[in-house]
Amino acid sequence: QVQLAQSGAEVKKPGASVKVSCKASGYIFTANYIHWVRQAPGQGLEWVGRINPVGGGANYAQKFLGRVTLTKDTSISTVYLEVSGLNSDDTAVYYCARESLAILVYDYWGQGTLVTVSS
Amino acid sequence: DIVMTQSPDSLAVSLGERATINCKSSQSVLYNSNNKNYLAWYQQKPGQPPKLLIYWASTRESGVPDRFSGSGSGTDFTLTISSLQAEDVALYYCLQYYSTPLYSFGQGTKLEI
Repeated sequence: QVQLAQSGAEVKKPGASVKVSCKASGYIFTANYIHWVRQAPGQGLEWVGRINPVGGGANYAQKFLGRVTLTKDTSISTVYLEVSGLNSDDTAVYYCARESLAILVYDYWGQGTLVTVSS
Repeated sequence: DIVMTQSPDSLAVSLGERATINCKSSQSVLYNSNNKNYLAWYQQKPGQPPKLLIYWASTRESGVPDRFSGSGSGTDFTLTISSLQAEDVALYYCLQYYSTPLYSFGQGTKLEI
């Protein structure tokens, strides 16, 4: 069965960086784009970016350009989200989600990773 | 960027009654070449990732109860729950995937009993 397993919660100081992983299993890793979506406490869902597992090409929401980097390691079926220059507004649950080939929407999600930015 | 606006922000409905949530996009999400609306609906319960309910604006995902239905085209869409059950208490989000890869969500609607 398809699974996306994310790394554990992180606590970071302002100005630091964080790297969250998302390990895919149960399907051919290179067949589907992986997106990242975040959710601040008590807030809605916000699209962060998308990575193509074949070539590693990525697209980002405008507000994250230059501060977010998506990468992948095909050998271990894992994608990564790195956020630099953290501030308190980056405190959120970060989800990875698989884009369905057939219907183009998110059909499987990771369990979420809470990133807390606090001094 | 396509901006998605949901209404209302919160909604209280009695058990067994109909619940209606609206979603409006800042530009059409209807792709003329295939006549499909690139609009989906998700349900999110506390501490869980979102769950897909509806895609192509009106196609119900496998396993989703038939009390959930989606309608609309172009810029105006509706999610209807025909007879509210206790387990339907959740947050509901619309998602446009027309401007791929730059997807965008509505702000969410909180549904309560």
